[in-house]
Amino acid sequence: NAGVTQTPKFRILKIGQSMTLQCAQDMNHNYMYWYRQDPGMGLKLIYYSVGAGITDKGEVPNGYNVSRSTTEDFPLRLELAAPSQTSVYFCASSPGGGRLTDTQYFGPGTRLTVL
Amino acid sequence: DAKTTQPTSMDCAEGRAANLPCNHSTISGNEYVYWYRQIHSQGPQYIIHGLKNNETNEMASLIITEDRKSSTLILPHATLRDTAVYYCIVYGSSNTGKLIFGQGTTLQVKP
Repeated sequence: NAGVTQTPKFRILKIGQSMTLQCAQDMNHNYMYWYRQDPGMGLKLIYYSVGAGITDKGEVPNGYNVSRSTTEDFPLRLELAAPSQTSVYFCASSPGGGRLTDTQYFGPGTRLTVL
Repeated sequence: DAKTTQPTSMDCAEGRAANLPCNHSTISGNEYVYWYRQIHSQGPQYIIHGLKNNETNEMASLIITEDRKSSTLILPHATLRDTAVYYCIVYGSSNTGKLIFGQGTTLQVKP
C-alpha cells in the first residue's frame, strides 16, 4: 500500500491565483482530513470528510473548499491565494466509522508559498 | 474537547530512556490518550494510544495514572532518529476523528 499520497510536494503561488492540492489514500478509509501547519505551530484542521459526498468544516476553513466524490480522493481547493495561506498542508485518513478509537495516517505534506 | 499540557522541550542522551509527560486533567471517561510524533516537518506518525491500562508496542510504552489525569510516553532506548516533536492528544469517538494538536514537546536526543 502507498498509504496517503499528496501532490505536489512544493508550490509557489502568486497572490490571487488558485490551485488544488491533491490527496489520495489506498487503505479504504472512511475518514479523510486536511490540516495546515504554520512554522513552529501544531496542526490545525481545515476540513474533514466522513465519507464520499460528506464534508464538514474544521477550525480554519476560510479560503478553502473541498469535495469528496470517491472514497480514495479528497482534494483541497485554494481560491484567491493570500500570503496568510503560506503553510505546510497535510492530508490524513483514518478508518473512522464511529469507532471508539481511530488512528490517523498522514501524507508527506505539500509546502505552499504565496508571494 | 479535553486539553493537554506538555513541556515545550526535553533533552535525552542516546541509548537512555526518554520519558515524556502529559497532563490531561479534564479527560472524560471514554476518551483515549494518543501519542503522535513529527520528525523534521514530515507528516505526523502514530505511536501508541491507551484508555486506562498501560500499553506497550514496538515503538514505545504508555503509562497512564490511575486517575487518568496524566500519562507518560516512554521511549526505552532513544536514538538520534527519535529526535522529533511529540504530541499528546486526547481523543473520543464524539470527536468524529478530529485531532486537536497542541504545541507538543520537542525531544532532542543527543549523542
